[in-house]
Amino acid sequence: DVKVTQSSRYLVKRTGEKVFLECVQDMDHENMFWYRQDPGLGLRLIYFSYDVKMKEKGDIPEGYSVSREKKERFSLILESASTNQTSMYLCASSLHLPGLDSNQPQHFGDGTRLSIL
Amino acid sequence: DAKTTQPPSMDCAEGRAANLPCNHSTISGNEYVYWYRQIHSQGPQYIIHGLKNNETNEMASLIITEDRKSSTLILPHATLRDTAVYYCTAYNTNAGKSTFGDGTTLTVKP
Repeated sequence: DVKVTQSSRYLVKRTGEKVFLECVQDMDHENMFWYRQDPGLGLRLIYFSYDVKMKEKGDIPEGYSVSREKKERFSLILESASTNQTSMYLCASSLHLPGLDSNQPQHFGDGTRLSIL
Repeated sequence: DAKTTQPPSMDCAEGRAANLPCNHSTISGNEYVYWYRQIHSQGPQYIIHGLKNNETNEMASLIITEDRKSSTLILPHATLRDTAVYYCTAYNTNAGKSTFGDGTTLTVKP
């Protein structure tokens, strides 16, 4: 089974801090994604990556950046955390590059609940 | 990217079929319908997907209307463990990403 591991289940940080959320997948997947999940808003895509050192903006990239230096690892960075970034953050991965195959289920980690005080 | 719309909540009696609707009236030809479910404190889990034909696997069935503007996920014999939030998404094969709606909270009752 594919395993997507997020480094922390719960994290508390202060306003203005630089925050790193880490995600690792163990099945050599090409694509990786970061979402945030808020009550009443479902899952919203922040950034995704289909290759090492490549990144694409999702629907809500403002205030975030990402890093993918190795295929298995995708990091989400909050450059200067703010209280409105308090949320559940979900990482996901999928196997093939875009356009190659429609069979592209995403495999999710269990999330990091981030609180910014 | 297509927007998906689902009812916020539904109830189902244990042992009965659960039919979860999804509207995706703006779906384009290169977008597939995917369904996931999320049990409390876990990440979403893939259930099934399809383009225009009906699909069935060991977890569920997916019925997509001929015009592809809506679909229904069917859990044939719902159990208490099927209580979860169910998300209908449109996966864009060219862009390689999915658009998630707000989901339906399904509560299976004894």
